[in-house]
Amino acid sequence: AQSVTQLGSHVSVSEGALVLLRCNYSSSVPPYLFWYVQYPNQGLQLLLKYTTGATLVKGINGFEAEFKKSETSFHLTKPSAHMSDAAEYFCGTSYGKLTFGQGTILTVHP
Amino acid sequence: DAMVIQNPRYQVTQFGKPVTLSCSQTLNHNVMYWYQQKSSQAPKLLFHYYDKDFNNEADTPDNFQSRRPNTSFCFLDIRSPGLGDAAMYLCATSSSGGLQETQYFGPGTRLLVL
Repeated sequence: AQSVTQLGSHVSVSEGALVLLRCNYSSSVPPYLFWYVQYPNQGLQLLLKYTTGATLVKGINGFEAEFKKSETSFHLTKPSAHMSDAAEYFCGTSYGKLTFGQGTILTVHP
Repeated sequence: DAMVIQNPRYQVTQFGKPVTLSCSQTLNHNVMYWYQQKSSQAPKLLFHYYDKDFNNEADTPDNFQSRRPNTSFCFLDIRSPGLGDAAMYLCATSSSGGLQETQYFGPGTRLLVL
């Protein structure tokens, strides 16, 4: 079965620091890949997705992710963290159906 | 704004007492999904409707049912809630169910079972 693995259930950064959230997928065929964000007691909101074409994908709120087939990775980055980025982030793949990784809680401290 | 609406946001029910959660959408999407998200876990797909066609996930308990009376509304019925059914229930929609499509999520209903 296709799946994604998020490395690190909790990531803590300082405001203004680089954000890096890791996601690896398992698939013999490059899947469609997504990053969603979930704020407390809210639904999920799409940050960005990779379907085909350019491997560097830009999303909302200054986030971007790069699809690397050789590393089977789709890590999420943001150059400078804001307090408002504190949330839980889910990597997902939709080979068959949308399946999420276990999530990474991002904490941003002053 | 087009959106996915879930009511109520919080629902308290008693062990074994049937409960219904509702979802509506103004996006006019063909596909509606129900996910269950337990504390500190990823959302897990329970079932989805493609138009009027119901698609159940193999591991969804029989205790969970769904109805979609029209394009805009979809309901999740839990016939006999157990303590293990306490969770956040998320409704989502997509235009035509394509694998590359974005799913649009509602804010969720948090279910508490006493």
